[in-house]
Amino acid sequence: GDSVTQMEGPVTLSEEAFLTINCTYTATGYPSLFWYVQYPGEGLQLLLKATKADDKGSNKGFEATYRKETTSFHLEKGSVQVSDSAVYFCALSGYGGSQGNLIFGKGTKLSVKP
Amino acid sequence: GAVVSQHPSRVICKSGTSVKIECRSLDFQATTMFWYRQFPKQSLMLMATSNEGSKATYEQGVEKDKFLINHASLTLSTLTVTSAHPEDSSFYICSVPGLAPWFGEQFFGPGTRLTVL
Repeated sequence: GDSVTQMEGPVTLSEEAFLTINCTYTATGYPSLFWYVQYPGEGLQLLLKATKADDKGSNKGFEATYRKETTSFHLEKGSVQVSDSAVYFCALSGYGGSQGNLIFGKGTKLSVKP
Repeated sequence: GAVVSQHPSRVICKSGTSVKIECRSLDFQATTMFWYRQFPKQSLMLMATSNEGSKATYEQGVEKDKFLINHASLTLSTLTVTSAHPEDSSFYICSVPGLAPWFGEQFFGPGTRLTVL
């Protein structure tokens, strides 16, 4: 079945460091891909998305490109801030129909030190 | 996007009791809501899809008699954990699909931490 694999955490970086969180997927058909972020004490929020191959999602300085050839959707940010400390989840839409079921990776906890 | 609330945010109960968790879509009418369960350091696992005015659809392996779901209105879905046991302790999260559900975007509540003693 469909699945998402993302790099294990936790990841600890200094402020202004470069961030990459790897995400690969297995899916039939052509899923949409997402990065969700969960800040401490809050619900998951959509960070960015891409709905077809070669699309680049971007938001708040974060970027991810839908790579069909490598079945990947790696999250990157050029210069992280302390406020980026959170848990990041890669996800794909499991079905093509109206249910929009999401399949999540295990999450990667990011801690950014000043 | 939709604003989703959950109540309570935390609940502690004794083994054998039932607990009700509410999920509200505050500014968006939702015919469908999703219920997830999240274990520590684990991914979110879809438990069931709540359908307004009809029965919920449960994922394989989820006991429908244990996790009762009611979606009585377009803004409220409830999850009742019946005869709770310590192994039911978890983080329960609900979500509402976006206007373009075929793209999979969902709006999540803040979650409810259930601890069963």
